[in-house]
Amino acid sequence: QVQLAQSGAEVKKPGASVKVSCKASGYRFTTYGFSWVRQAPGQGLEWMGWISAKNGNTKYVEKLQGRVTMTTDTSTTTVYMELRSLRSDDTAVYYCARHSKTGISATNYYFYGMNVWGQGTTVTVSS
Amino acid sequence: DIQMTQSPSSLSASVGDRVTITCQASEDINNYLNWYQQKPGKAPELLIYDASNLETGVPPRFSGSGSGTDFIFAISNLQPEDSATYYCQQFDNLPLTFGGGTKVEI
Repeated sequence: QVQLAQSGAEVKKPGASVKVSCKASGYRFTTYGFSWVRQAPGQGLEWMGWISAKNGNTKYVEKLQGRVTMTTDTSTTTVYMELRSLRSDDTAVYYCARHSKTGISATNYYFYGMNVWGQGTTVTVSS
Repeated sequence: DIQMTQSPSSLSASVGDRVTITCQASEDINNYLNWYQQKPGKAPELLIYDASNLETGVPPRFSGSGSGTDFIFAISNLQPEDSATYYCQQFDNLPLTFGGGTKVEI
């Protein structure tokens, strides 16, 4: 069956980097794009960015530009999210999610519903 | 960025009730809206896509409607397992943005 399996919990010091993995299985990997969504303790959902598994194109939320990098490895059907210069407010559960489809127009990208999710990875940033 | 305003932030209802949640976008998003359910300690789950379409496997007591800036999510015949937080999410424009969530207690 279609699954996204994420790497385990991480504890990092402020200023460090973290790299979370998300291994996809059960379907043709390059067909769909992925988003990363995070959730701080007791808070709502925050979209971080998107990556195409077909060609590696990315779209990041402006507030994380320069600190986040999303990559894919088609040989292992794995998506990665690296976040650098960690701060205490980066403490959150990080989810990868697969979009049902992607639409691209001349002026916009349309990332349709996220219908498959990983189990989440807790990242704690503390000195 | 498009702001998504969800209301109420929480509600309490009884088994068998019908409940509704509203989501208002700060600008026209056509029907580019999804609804998710999240239970404590779990990943969100897509329930409704493109404003009104039921995701495969989701019980038909869940429904969505609306277009433009105003959207409604409804649960009819509320069940104990529907206790969760529900989020709307727009994808008309980047960045993708979520509503603040509605916690439904049974």
